[in-house]
Amino acid sequence: KAGVTQTPRYLIKTRGQQVTLSCSPISGHRSVSWYQQTPGQGLQFLFEYFSETQRNKGNFPGRFSGRQFSNSRSEMNVSTLELGDSALYLCASSRQNWGAGELFFGEGSRLTVL
Amino acid sequence: DAKTTQPPSMDCAEGRAANLPCNHSTISGNEYVYWYRQIHSQGPQYIIHGLKNNETNEMASLIITEDRKSSTLILPHATLRDTAVYYCIVRVVGAENYGGATNKLIFGTGTLLAVQP
Repeated sequence: KAGVTQTPRYLIKTRGQQVTLSCSPISGHRSVSWYQQTPGQGLQFLFEYFSETQRNKGNFPGRFSGRQFSNSRSEMNVSTLELGDSALYLCASSRQNWGAGELFFGEGSRLTVL
Repeated sequence: DAKTTQPPSMDCAEGRAANLPCNHSTISGNEYVYWYRQIHSQGPQYIIHGLKNNETNEMASLIITEDRKSSTLILPHATLRDTAVYYCIVRVVGAENYGGATNKLIFGTGTLLAVQP
């Protein structure tokens, strides 16, 4: 069965631009979470969606936003990019947001801001 | 606000068992212990999880102490491909109608396991 798919895998943007990243969860999974990974801060939780509703949000500025569609696919958007936004952005999916289930991660989208 | 403490790095000889410790002394009753690993530049990979009983699957074994304040992940026969950063995470697990149910994972700094030939 297909895993979590993230697109694009790599992208380069300049300061001030905006970016949209996409995540397609495993078929049947309704929960999608996003994480940012940087060398300095490690893996940090961004937000979590379940049934098109944001259920949890990490400590990131309002420039970071996301949404989930009725087919469970999710997008995250970063506006007014800063150099510090350069990171690996990871998406994880799970069947639901309760119970002791596994979270499956995609390979990530690596964003470089110049 | 990671709730776990792990050694920053460990070495293991290929073919030997790798025992990765984790301290989670503030774990609460509805928190499970999860282990993930991340091979360089890839997404984290789920390994195993448990509540209070020892668990085993095709990848590893998880030993949780009786007081649940610490655990050990055991890779029985480490190979070079097991070289990765291993993360121990405690996660609140709730029922369907539990308002606090969440898939949020709080990653610490993990343990870099280097398997030596």
